[in-house]
Amino acid sequence: EAGVAQSPRYKIIEKRQSVAFWCNPISGHATLYWYQQILGQGPKLLIQFQNNGVVDDSQLPKDRFSAERLKGVDSTLKIQPAKLEDSAVYLCASSSKKQGNIGDTQYFGPGTRLTVL
Amino acid sequence: SQQGEEDPQALSIQEGENATMNCSYKTSINNLQWYRQNSGRGLVHLILIRSNEREKHSGRLRVTLDTSKKSSSLLITASRAADTASYFCATVDTGRRALTFGSGTRLQVQP
Repeated sequence: EAGVAQSPRYKIIEKRQSVAFWCNPISGHATLYWYQQILGQGPKLLIQFQNNGVVDDSQLPKDRFSAERLKGVDSTLKIQPAKLEDSAVYLCASSSKKQGNIGDTQYFGPGTRLTVL
Repeated sequence: SQQGEEDPQALSIQEGENATMNCSYKTSINNLQWYRQNSGRGLVHLILIRSNEREKHSGRLRVTLDTSKKSSSLLITASRAADTASYFCATVDTGRRALTFGSGTRLQVQP
């Protein structure tokens, strides 16, 4: 089975520019997550989708970050405008239980490394 | 926010030795999971232990959980150079669904 796909793998932008990341979860996985991992730290959840609905976006900086999951499959995460502190790896993950049951294993993509200059 | 701390932050051992990493957390949890992350790669799920379990094994991995102390440990036996990676514990808090990660332990296994 194909894993979680993400693109691009690397992105370099200047501050105040916009950027978008794309994620294609494992086929049939109802739950999709976006995490931000700053160098030297563990990943931090930004947003969780169940099908195409948002379950948890409490840690998403909504003044500059947005995410959508049209049709409950692919997802995009956008930053507009970017700040220096947004430099990080953005990880997408998906899990299989349709109800997003507690404890289901998450499968991670390779991530997008963003550098903001 | 980070859930807790892993200890040690970095660990260097020789091939064949055992590696032990500890994780502490702060909240009531449903389960605790351990993940591995190779340099520049995504995270790989290693093992999940539920709050009503005390110990779990998977191959060369042994995980313990002490909910009274809010702590867990990951033991890798007979380490190999390929085990070199960062290891993260992550909790699923009671009433939530997403993972809350710790800060990780960077393990270096010298051949």
